[in-house]
Amino acid sequence: DIQMTQSPSSLSASVGDRVTITCRASQGISNSLAWYQQKPGKAPKLLLYAASRLESGVPSRFSGSGSGTDYTLTISSLQPEDFATYYCQQYYSTLWTFGQGTKVEIK
Amino acid sequence: QVQLVESGGGLVKPGGSLRLSCAASGFTFSDYYMSWIRQAPGKGLEWVSYISSSSSYTNYADSVKGRFTISRDNAKNSLYLQMNSLRAEDTAVYYCARDRFGKGGGDYFDYWGQGTLVTVSS
Repeated sequence: DIQMTQSPSSLSASVGDRVTITCRASQGISNSLAWYQQKPGKAPKLLLYAASRLESGVPSRFSGSGSGTDYTLTISSLQPEDFATYYCQQYYSTLWTFGQGTKVEIK
Repeated sequence: QVQLVESGGGLVKPGGSLRLSCAASGFTFSDYYMSWIRQAPGKGLEWVSYISSSSSYTNYADSVKGRFTISRDNAKNSLYLQMNSLRAEDTAVYYCARDRFGKGGGDYFDYWGQGTLVTVSS
C-alpha cells in the first residue's frame, strides 16, 4: 500500500494567515492526489483533485501543488470557516489511502 | 441535488453482523462507482471498499477482506455493505461516497453521505 504522511499534524493560525500543509507519499503518485476538508461531526468535503485542480464551488484561496511524492495544500488567507481538519488522499493505486489529517486551529 | 443517506448502523457484539445501506438520489446512480469509507472515533479516514457501476468490479481494504461484502442495486439506487465477523476495531462512522472515476476524473470522492455509526462492543 502507498503510505501518505501529512505534516504538520496540527497547526495554530490566525485569520488572514497563509497556511501550508504538506502530504508525502511513500512512492510517486503522478499527481493522483485529492484534498478534503472535514469539520467536526460532518462528512469530508472535496477541495482539490489531480493535485491542483479546484473542485467547483471551492473558494480560490485554496490551491494545491506538487509532483512525484510531495504535495502541498495552501490556504492563501485563512478565513474563520476554514478552521477544520484537512486530509490528502492518493488514488494512484487501488487500495486508496488517506493521510492522517492536519487540524487547523485558531491561534 | 446529490444526496447520499446511510442507514443500518448500531451496536453489535463482537463476531456479529450488520448490513449498512446507502440511498442515493439526485444523480444517475448506475453511472457511478461507489465506495464505503470509515472513520474510527477521533481518528482519520480509511477507505473500506468500492464497487463499479455495474457491480463487475469490487475491491476491499486488507483490514476487511473476507469479512465485508459490498453490493448495489441500481434499480433501487442503493448501495450496501454486509459486515460479518465484526471486531472492536471496526467501530467507526461509515460513509458512503460517490467516486468520480470514469466521469472525467479519478478515484476520488466528490459526494459523501452524513455517515452511520457502527459500534462493536460486548
